[in-house]
Amino acid sequence: NAGVTQTPKFQVLKTGQSMTLQCAQDMNHNSMYWYRQDPGMGLRLIYYSASEGTTDKGEVPNGYNVSRLNKREFSLRLESAAPSQTSVYFCASSLMNTEAFFGQGTRLTVV
Amino acid sequence: GQQLNQSPQSMFIQEGEDVSMNCTSSSIFNTWLWYKQDPGEGPVLLIALYKAGELTSNGRLTAQFGITRKDSFLNISASIPSDVGIYFCAGRGGANNLFFGTGTRLTVIP
Repeated sequence: NAGVTQTPKFQVLKTGQSMTLQCAQDMNHNSMYWYRQDPGMGLRLIYYSASEGTTDKGEVPNGYNVSRLNKREFSLRLESAAPSQTSVYFCASSLMNTEAFFGQGTRLTVV
Repeated sequence: GQQLNQSPQSMFIQEGEDVSMNCTSSSIFNTWLWYKQDPGEGPVLLIALYKAGELTSNGRLTAQFGITRKDSFLNISASIPSDVGIYFCAGRGGANNLFFGTGTRLTVIP
C-alpha cells in the first residue's frame, strides 16, 4: 500500500542551488498537487495538475516549476533556492473532485 | 488566494470532553474535507463532504457541509489522548484546486 511516495524526506540546500522534489502515486489518480507548509500558515497550494498533460498555478507558485511526467509522477523543481523556500513540502493526489491523499512530506532547509 | 478561516486556532481540553471546530470561506465550495496531521506526518483524511447540508460521521467524529456552501464544522465527541494533533479543513471549488485552513491544534489533557 504505497499510496503517495515523496523523495527525498530531508534536504539541505545552499542559496542558489537547484533541486527537484519527486512524487509518485500508485492509485491511478488523475489529479496531483504540491503544497508547502509553514508554521501558522496551514498548507498553501503551489501548483496542481488536474490531469496528465496539464499544470496550473496555485496560491504561491513563484520560484517553482512543475512537471507532470506521466499519470503517476509529478515533480517540483526549485531552480535557484532561497531561504524563504525553507518549508515542508507535501505532494497529494486525488481522483477528479474527490478527497486528496498525501505523502509523508519533504523537509527542505535552504541556508 | 483563497481565504479559509478556521477556528479556534488551538484548544486545550480534558479527556472525555467534546470538541467543536469550524471553517468559513469567502467563496462557495463543492467539497469540504477534514484532515488530521500528526507531527512529522502528512495530513490524513478524516471525513469528506460532497453535498450542501450533508452530515457525516466517522466513529466519534461528525462533520457537516453548511447549507450556504461557505462553511463546515467538525465535532469530536468524548475526546481521548490520541485525538491530539492539528486538524485542517479543506475546500474544493470549481477548478479542482484544493485550499486549506490554517489548522486547529488540539491538546487533550488526560
